[in-house]
Amino acid sequence: EPEVTQTPSHQVTQMGQEVILRCVPISNHLYFYWYRQILGQKVEFLVSFYNNEISEKSEIFDDQFSVERPDGSNFTLKIRSTKLEDSAMYFCASRAAGGYTFGSGTRLTVV
Amino acid sequence: LAKTTQPISMDSYEGQEVNITCSHNNIATNDYITWYQQFPSQGPRFIIQGYKTKVTNEVASLFIPADRKSSTLSLPRVSLSDTAVYYCLVDSNYQLIWGAGTKLIIKP
Repeated sequence: EPEVTQTPSHQVTQMGQEVILRCVPISNHLYFYWYRQILGQKVEFLVSFYNNEISEKSEIFDDQFSVERPDGSNFTLKIRSTKLEDSAMYFCASRAAGGYTFGSGTRLTVV
Repeated sequence: LAKTTQPISMDSYEGQEVNITCSHNNIATNDYITWYQQFPSQGPRFIIQGYKTKVTNEVASLFIPADRKSSTLSLPRVSLSDTAVYYCLVDSNYQLIWGAGTKLIIKP
């Protein structure tokens, strides 16, 4: 069964540092997403991406966040200057007709 | 954007059928209803999706009445490994709106 792959599985970073979270979506999917889940809380939408541009973004997705699909296979989420409150599980998802397929997530810990 | 409401938690026993009901009163005409399962520290996993009436796959059934303001996920003969959080979601305008989910605990 096709999978969405996320790397790294766990990243620890110091406050103020930049982080890049990587995702390899399913190859024939056209829609890509980032969600996050703070420990013990519900999943929150960050951004959707289609046709090489952002199609929707939430209030969480401020100027500190950016997404890129640099080479036609990877889909990255960059946080420019991390804050303590950015600590969460970050899930990448891709979508074709039918349901979404989520990756197993990157646990980001900002210290 | 349609919001969903579902029970915070449910308990059941191995071998039982479990039904989790979700309300989505302001669902729009083009919205689909989708259910996901999530284990701790893992990504959500797609279970089933439907628009109306009944949908069945190898793991679950989804019942949606004519007014589409609610839906029921049915898990036949649950096992201990079905202990997880179950999310009812409205697939709205290519964005999933997440609620708190239902924490299902299956007991031996």
